[in-house]
Amino acid sequence: NAGVTQTPKFRVLKTGQSMTLLCAQDMNHEYMYWYRQDPGMGLRLIHYSVGEGTTAKGEVPDGYNVSRLKKQNFLLGLESAAPSQTSVYFCASTFTSAGLPHFGNGTRLTVT
Amino acid sequence: KQEVTQIPAALSVPEGENLVLNCSFTDSAIYNLQWFRQDPGKGLTSLLLIQSSQREQTSGRLNASLDKSSGRSTLYIAASQPGDSATYLCAVHMNRDDKIIFGKGTRLHILP
Repeated sequence: NAGVTQTPKFRVLKTGQSMTLLCAQDMNHEYMYWYRQDPGMGLRLIHYSVGEGTTAKGEVPDGYNVSRLKKQNFLLGLESAAPSQTSVYFCASTFTSAGLPHFGNGTRLTVT
Repeated sequence: KQEVTQIPAALSVPEGENLVLNCSFTDSAIYNLQWFRQDPGKGLTSLLLIQSSQREQTSGRLNASLDKSSGRSTLYIAASQPGDSATYLCAVHMNRDDKIIFGKGTRLHILP
C-alpha cells in the first residue's frame, strides 16, 4: 500500500509556464484535498473533491484548476504560473467525513 | 467562513514540563477536529482525531480535548521531551461543505 503519492516531489517553473501536479491514492478514499503551505501560514485549502467527477473551491482557488476523472487521482493544474504560486503543495485524502486524512509528502514548487 | 486560530504562535519550554496548546474555531458545525505534527521540511503526521460527539482523545503522553459549543480544543503534552519539538497544527472538518480548514500552527521548541 503506497497511501497518498504526490508527483513530482520538486519542480522549478518559469513565469507563464503550465504544469500539473498529480495526487494518487490507493485506499479507495472518496474525499481528496489540495493545500498549499507558505511560511507562517499553516495549510490553505485550494480545491477539494468529495467523489469521482466532483470538485469544489477552497479558500485560495484562484490561478488553479483541478480534475477528478478517476476516483484514485486528483490533479492540480497551474495554467500560467506566477511567482506567488511558489509554495509547498500537499494532497490529502480521507475515506469518509469522519475519517482520518492521509497526507502525501508534498511537492515543492518554485516559480521564477 | 470558518476561522481556525492557534495560540501561541510559538512556544519554548524546558524539557520535562507539561504544556498546553490551544486551538479555537468560529463555526461549531464540524464533523471532527484533528491535531497534526509537522517537522521542518516534512509532511504531516496525524496525532489525534476527535469526533464532534467526543470530549477527548488520548495517545501516550498526548491528550486532546474538544469543547464544540465554545469552539475550543486543547492539546496537552505531558513530560515534554526535545523530540517533541515541531510545529503542531489543528484542523476542523466542516459538516456543511466537507472542507478541512487548518490553523496556522504553534511552533514548539523543547529546551534540553
